Parts: sequence; structure tokens; C-alpha cells
Amino acid sequence: QVQLQQWGAGLLKSSETLSLTCAVYGGSFNGYYWTWIRQPPGKGLEWIGESINGGTTNYNPSLKSRVTISLDTSKNQFSLNLSSVTAADTAVYYCARGPIIDYWGQGTLVTVSS
Amino acid sequence: DIQMTQSPSSLSASVGDRITITCRASQSISDYLNWYQHKEGQAPKLLIYSASALQSGVPSRFSGSGSGTDFTLTISSLRPEDFATYYCQQSYRSPRIFGQGTKLDIK
Repeated sequence: QVQLQQWGAGLLKSSETLSLTCAVYGGSFNGYYWTWIRQPPGKGLEWIGESINGGTTNYNPSLKSRVTISLDTSKNQFSLNLSSVTAADTAVYYCARGPIIDYWGQGTLVTVSS
Repeated sequence: DIQMTQSPSSLSASVGDRITITCRASQSISDYLNWYQHKEGQAPKLLIYSASALQSGVPSRFSGSGSGTDFTLTISSLRPEDFATYYCQQSYRSPRIFGQGTKLDIK
């Protein structure tokens, strides 16, 4: 059974960098697009980006200039960094296995204060 | 980028009703279309993948159809646990955008 467990800081100030990590337990780490998705309060799901071992990484154009997704295949973990955050980045952030999202992390509420 | 448009954005229905949600892609995505159910406080759940394939463990009252640009999610007979928000998502190419969601609530 595949499980994703995520962690990271839940309260940030404007201009700081958001950092979240997701550990994958069970199943193969290779061959999947490891994905980050977020949901701002009262809004829908927003696809942030994905990465697959071998170096292919894709980002949502609306966030591309600020986002980095990286994989650590030795630990079966992947991470999200989002720089220069503002209040608009306040959201629940999910890690997930894609491209068809069949497994999700538990979600982390990240609040950005000014 | 491929844009995904869902309709309606909200829907009120009763237990036992049959409902249909529509998703339209801005260009052909073959059958690379997935449906998710999202309840508040929980992670979303995959219901249907590749337009019409039922994810393991999902009740058979859920079904999906379509190809190209037009897709539908149907719930044949609503149960109380089905009241949630539903999203379509294209997995044809990056960015793998979600539709804006359809909130299904009890009439």
C-alpha cells in the first residue's frame, strides 16, 4: 500500500520561501510523476508542478518563476520550494503521485502573513 | 495550455437522484481525463481515470464517458456520502490543469 507523508512549515511571512517535503512509503519511486497541488481557501485545486526521475520537471506557468520541485531517490522523498511568498500563496498544499493522481498526502495548511 | 471548463459550478440534488457533470477541454485530450471527489478536510479521491475507467474500490454508481474535448461524470443514484465537490483534470500534457470544480449539495 502506497502512503505519502508530508511535512513543512505552516506559517510564513511575506517574501519568505515555502518548503515542504513528502516521503513515499510502499510502491516504486521510479516511473511516476511526483506532484504538488494546492487549494487556496474557498477556491479549487491548482496543479503546481511535477517531477519524474531522469530529470523531467514541469511547472504551472503561473508559478514557474518561483517554484522548484526536486527528488531525492535515495530517500524516496520529493520537495517543493516556492520563493517570495505572499498572502495569495496561502493554501492547503498536497503532495501526490501522478500524472493520474491516485495517491495523495494528508495536506499541509500553509498560511502567509504580512 | 489546455483549459478545462466544468459545468455546472454548483448543483443541488436529492438522495436517489441521477446527476451529470460536464467537463470540456479547450483542445482534444483523447481520453486523458480524470475525475476526483473532494470532501472538506480530506485529500481528494480519484474516482474515474482515462475518461471511463472506474478506480478500484469506487462504487459502480459512478461512471464516466467522453473523448476528445467533451466528458461527463454521472452518479446514477445519489447517496448521502456523495455530496462533495467534483473536479475533472486532464493528464494529456503538462500543465495538468483541473477544472474549476462542481459543488454538489443536498436540495
